[in-house]
Amino acid sequence: DTGVSQDPRHKITKRGQNVTFRCDPISEHNRLYWYRQTLGQGPEFLTYFQNEAQLEKSRLLSDRFSAERPKGSFSTLEIQRTEQGDSAMYLCASSLIPVTGELFFGEGSRLTVL
Amino acid sequence: AQSVTQLDSQVPVFEEAPVELRCNYSSSVSVYLFWYVQYPNQGLQLLLKYLSGSTLVKGINGFEAEFNKSQTSFHLRKPSVHISDTAEYFCAVRGGDGDYKLSFGAGTTVTVRA
Repeated sequence: DTGVSQDPRHKITKRGQNVTFRCDPISEHNRLYWYRQTLGQGPEFLTYFQNEAQLEKSRLLSDRFSAERPKGSFSTLEIQRTEQGDSAMYLCASSLIPVTGELFFGEGSRLTVL
Repeated sequence: AQSVTQLDSQVPVFEEAPVELRCNYSSSVSVYLFWYVQYPNQGLQLLLKYLSGSTLVKGINGFEAEFNKSQTSFHLRKPSVHISDTAEYFCAVRGGDGDYKLSFGAGTTVTVRA
């Protein structure tokens, strides 16, 4: 069990550029979640997958955000035309069904939009 | 929809003193409750969880929490803190079966001083 890994850990970009984050969940976990955390706030739910199916998306997820999990393993979160308000820590978590409720989190990908 | 309110944003405490972090939840259905800890520059780590059964839940690192349905609370306690307990603590709630995402509170920053 190598835990949830995220890449890159830090990304600095200019406004208007596209960025992509990758998450590799714990290998046997079939649910994968994306959260966003800004300074002084708790994580906010963005979306989650069961295997390759995206089952729920938050209203926070504007049309500039897209997430995929094409083979039910790793996932990507892409932000197009970044804005300064997108600066945040993007957290990935995974869990196993049957779900006891516990999510296992990665260390996050910090995005800074200049 | 379920939500949590963490009543204290910052809690300073002296080493070896007790600490209590307050969390209230709102939900129209049965809930599962969690406390996570986030150390500086690290991901979220589960401290403890309440799914059912005994209302007093013991977690890692000497923490415990008590589920109180009548007061809709899930307060976290530790009888004697260490410098290493300095971190941010998040309370989270998950709704009943069929809802697999966690909703987090805004967090409580605990600073332990010698």
